[in-house]
Amino acid sequence: DVKVTQSSRYLVKRTGEKVFLECVQDMDHENMFWYRQDPGLGLRLIYFSYDVKMKEKGDIPEGYSVSREKKERFSLILESASTNQTSMYLCASSRPGQYEKLFFGSGTQLSVL
Amino acid sequence: GDSVTQMEGPVTLSEEAFLTINCTYTATGYPSLFWYVQYPGEGLQLLLKATKADDKGSNKGFEATYRKETTSFHLEKGSVQVSDSAVYFCALFPNTGNQFYFGTGTSLTVIP
Repeated sequence: DVKVTQSSRYLVKRTGEKVFLECVQDMDHENMFWYRQDPGLGLRLIYFSYDVKMKEKGDIPEGYSVSREKKERFSLILESASTNQTSMYLCASSRPGQYEKLFFGSGTQLSVL
Repeated sequence: GDSVTQMEGPVTLSEEAFLTINCTYTATGYPSLFWYVQYPGEGLQLLLKATKADDKGSNKGFEATYRKETTSFHLEKGSVQVSDSAVYFCALFPNTGNQFYFGTGTSLTVIP
């Protein structure tokens, strides 16, 4: 079975902490994505990456950064967590040219207190 | 810009009832349209898709038809089951773009 694995299902952090959300896929996919999911707002794209060491901003990159050192791993970094970053974070991956086959992880529910 | 609007939830239905979840879109050109489903505790997974006008996507008893004249892609199922309880997302992928645009999601609960 193909898998996108997010390191934590639930995470509680304090305001100002540096937070790392990890995502690993075992499908050798080039494309990887980070979304946040909020009630009434749906999914919004934070960052994506088309290859190792490449990254592009999505619709809401402010307050976030990413790292893609290896093809299978895509990390989302909150440099200084704030309460408005409390959300469900979803990682996804796909092959180039097969955009409709977007595979999602099960999500990380982050609470910033 | 490109966007998707879907009906607000939550929706509660009895088993075997008919389901419609409305979705309309705004896009230039001819986007591809999708329905994704998110079961409790899981990530999203593709339910069905349509890539051109008048195409009908179908899967697991769900159907949606790409209507360019009304810019719609409504999700339907003739007889829902308890196991269909989930959040449903309408989405589009522009033909000249590089990212998905998702609707806000519609939560469906089916009661026995």
